[in-house]
Amino acid sequence: GIQVEQSPPDLILQEGANSTLRCNFSDSVNNLQWFHQNPWGQLINLFYIPSGTKQNGRLSATTVATERYSLLYISSSQTTDSGVYFCAVGTNTGRRALTFGSGTRLQVQP
Amino acid sequence: EPEVTQTPSHQVTQMGQEVILRCVPISNHLYFYWYRQILGQKVEFLVSFYNNEISEKSEIFDDQFSVERPDGSNFTLKIRSTKLEDSAMYFCASRGQFNTGELFFGEGSRLTVL
Repeated sequence: GIQVEQSPPDLILQEGANSTLRCNFSDSVNNLQWFHQNPWGQLINLFYIPSGTKQNGRLSATTVATERYSLLYISSSQTTDSGVYFCAVGTNTGRRALTFGSGTRLQVQP
Repeated sequence: EPEVTQTPSHQVTQMGQEVILRCVPISNHLYFYWYRQILGQKVEFLVSFYNNEISEKSEIFDDQFSVERPDGSNFTLKIRSTKLEDSAMYFCASRGQFNTGELFFGEGSRLTVL
């Protein structure tokens, strides 16, 4: 099956700093989503971005499908950004819908 | 905005007991999924469901697990005889199209098996 690798595995930032999280995948995809898992374990959908660039406030994401990677940018980080960020991809066979990466654990310190 | 809802949010059960986790997918969606996340690990696919039958299941989804859509709105995951290793967060998801489009997740049901 498709492999999804996220980097870095862990990241510690000071409040106000910017960061870039990366997701590499091993095959062509027709679905890519970024999630934030909050301290209560809920998966918050950040972006549905199989290709192109999207922005939502301080967050933005870019997927370059032809080169098999996606980037999530967090600007002016806040303590509430802490948590685990997951990238998940889907292929055109569709039956499993999404395969998740192992996540990037982000800690934003005041 | 339509959302996927899950109940219960947290359930504690004794080993060997049966557990049913319930999900109400978005109303016009046709494709339904269960995922599982053991604490500290990544989210894993369990099963996909369409047209009242399983489309695909993972190696995790053994004979102890079953899914059904009993009444056209609910989508349930049953664990027949829970084991300690079934302790996890279980996520339900749905989407309107087969192999493309955004997947919408519920907030999860945390299962603790003692």
